[in-house]
Amino acid sequence: KQEVTQIPAALSVPEGENLVLNCSFTDSAIYNLQWFRQDPGKGLTSLLLIQSSQREQTSGRLNASLDKSSGRSTLYIAASQPGDSATYLCAVTGTASKLTFGTGTRLQVTL
Amino acid sequence: SAVISQKPSRDICQRGTSLTIQCQVDSQVTMMFWYRQQPGQSLTLIATANQGSEATYESGFVIDKFPISRPNLTFSTLTVSNMSPEDSSIYLCSVDPGTSYQETQYFGPGTRLLVL
Repeated sequence: KQEVTQIPAALSVPEGENLVLNCSFTDSAIYNLQWFRQDPGKGLTSLLLIQSSQREQTSGRLNASLDKSSGRSTLYIAASQPGDSATYLCAVTGTASKLTFGTGTRLQVTL
Repeated sequence: SAVISQKPSRDICQRGTSLTIQCQVDSQVTMMFWYRQQPGQSLTLIATANQGSEATYESGFVIDKFPISRPNLTFSTLTVSNMSPEDSSIYLCSVDPGTSYQETQYFGPGTRLLVL
C-alpha cells in the first residue's frame, strides 16, 4: 500500500526567505507526482505535475523535483510571500488514476 | 481543464440522518472520484464513480455507508448514510481528464459536513 509522508508538518518563515518542502513515498510505481495548494475553506489548486520520467518542473517561483528511485520529491519556493501561506499537499498517481495524498505541510509566511 | 461545482457547500446534520452531495462537471469525463478529508487530516480516496456501473470502493469504505450514483459523464452524487459525528469532514469530488497522466486532476470546492 502506497504511503506518502511530508516533512515538515508545519513551517513558519519570514517574507522573502527561500524554502523547501519535502515529500516521500514508499512505492516507486507511480505515473506522476503532483503538488497542490489548499487554502482554508477552499478546494485544491494544482501547482505542478511531474511525470514519472521527468526530474523537475518549474512554474514561476516554484520548482519541484522528483527522484522516483528513492521515492522523494521536493518543492522549492523562492522569495516567499505572505500570499504563499497555505497547506501544501503532494500526491502520487497510481493505477486507475488514483491519487494518494501526503500528510501536508502547513506554511505560514510572516511579514 | 474542467470546472467542478458541488452542492451543498456546507451543511450541519443530525446523527442518524443522510446527506446527498452533488458534483457537476462542465465537460464529459470518464473518471470521477470522491475523497474525504477529516479534520486536520489529508485527503483519502473513498471510491471511483463509474458511469453505468457500480462504484469501486477503497478499503475501509462500503456501499451501504457511501452509496454513489453516476448517471452520466458530467454528474455524480455521494450519499453519507446514517451519519455519526465521525463523518464530519470535507467531501471533495475530482475528475481525471484522461490525458494519460499528463494533466492534473481537477477538484471541486468541497462540501463541509458537520454532524451533531
